[in-house]
Amino acid sequence: AQSVTQPDIHITVSEGASLELRCNYSYGATPYLFWYVQSPGQGLQLLLKYFSGDTLVQGIKGFEAEFKRSQSSFNLRKPSVHWSDAAEYFCAVGSLNNNDMRFGAGTRLTVKP
Amino acid sequence: DAGITQSPRHKVTETGTPVTLRCHQTENHRYMYWYRQDPGHGLRLIHYSYGVKDTDKGEVSDGYSVSRSKTEDFLLTLESATSSQTSVYFCAIKGQATYEQYFGPGTRLTVT
Repeated sequence: AQSVTQPDIHITVSEGASLELRCNYSYGATPYLFWYVQSPGQGLQLLLKYFSGDTLVQGIKGFEAEFKRSQSSFNLRKPSVHWSDAAEYFCAVGSLNNNDMRFGAGTRLTVKP
Repeated sequence: DAGITQSPRHKVTETGTPVTLRCHQTENHRYMYWYRQDPGHGLRLIHYSYGVKDTDKGEVSDGYSVSRSKTEDFLLTLESATSSQTSVYFCAIKGQATYEQYFGPGTRLTVT
């Protein structure tokens, strides 16, 4: 069964600094990978997705992620963090029919002024 | 906006009582999902539906049942609520021509 590990429970960065959130997955076939963001008290919003093709994918709000098959990773990056980016971020992996999508435990991002 | 609403948004109930949560969608999506979110666990799939009257179990289905009598509504029932079912419950749908899921606003359930 697929699984996702987000090694960092909590990350603090200064506003304007770069950000990288780590995600490692375990899946036997070609994974379908996702990053979601959740603001306090809200639902999850899709940031970006990877199905195939170019391994560097662009998402909303200036985020990007890179799929590295050799490392089983799908790390999320942003070159310059804004205070409004403070939220919890979830990596998820799915299969072709995507009826059993697995989520990581999440990384909470704090942004310092 | 995927046109998903959940009701109620908040509920407090006592151990042993039945509880039903409702997910309503307006865009005729075939696939609908119920997840629970708990600290340290991310989201875990409870049940999903792939059509009217067609449902299947997810990772954490014990203690939960679901029903889907109309395309637009997917109900999650806790037959006899327990304190371990205190959680935030999210409904999701899958896009018609893609593989990502879109989530509702969530229901916070507290079982005392």
